[in-house]
Amino acid sequence: DVKVTQSSRYLVKRTGEKVFLECVQDMDHENMFWYRQDPGLGLRLIYFSYDVKMKEKGDIPEGYSVSREKKERFSLILESASTNQTSMYLCASSLILQGALNTEAFFGQGTRLTVV
Amino acid sequence: SQQGEEDPQALSIQEGENATMNCSYKTSINNLQWYRQNSGRGLVHLILIRSNEREKHSGRLRVTLDTSKKSSSLLITASRAADTASYFCATKDSGAGSYQLTFGKGTKLSVIP
Repeated sequence: DVKVTQSSRYLVKRTGEKVFLECVQDMDHENMFWYRQDPGLGLRLIYFSYDVKMKEKGDIPEGYSVSREKKERFSLILESASTNQTSMYLCASSLILQGALNTEAFFGQGTRLTVV
Repeated sequence: SQQGEEDPQALSIQEGENATMNCSYKTSINNLQWYRQNSGRGLVHLILIRSNEREKHSGRLRVTLDTSKKSSSLLITASRAADTASYFCATKDSGAGSYQLTFGKGTKLSVIP
């Protein structure tokens, strides 16, 4: 059974803290993604990575950074958490077929982060 | 930037009825995917349709794709209360080296028993 696992289901952090959200996949997928989901705004892409040590900015990268040191693990870092980063964070992974065609994405269960 | 836009934003139907959701997008795509999300959970992939396909079926799901209009529709036939969820379309741009998967804002479907 394929799996994407996010390290925490719920997280409460203080303003200014450095926050790490971890995501691990067991499917040997090249692509990994971090999205945030807010009511009325849908899923917005923060960063994605198509290979180890490779990263690409998505639509809303400001205030975030990522790390992909191993193929199975993709970490999202909030350098200095702020209240406007309170959100649901979703990690996903997918395979890359020939011609850079994506297949379906598999999602983790989400991390609901509250910054107080 | 937001690629897919689902329509309607919310839909409420009786059990047994059909539910139709639409998605419009802006750029050339390799494929379009539909996902489902139960409240507070991650997304689950439902169906993928490639840019050279016009229609695809999977169980009670039927997806159409019109690349000339840059639009897709998801039809759920004979709906059940368990179909209550949010549904999202996602697109993969056809640009070389583009791995980004972009989601719309979703349609919230409520199926009343």
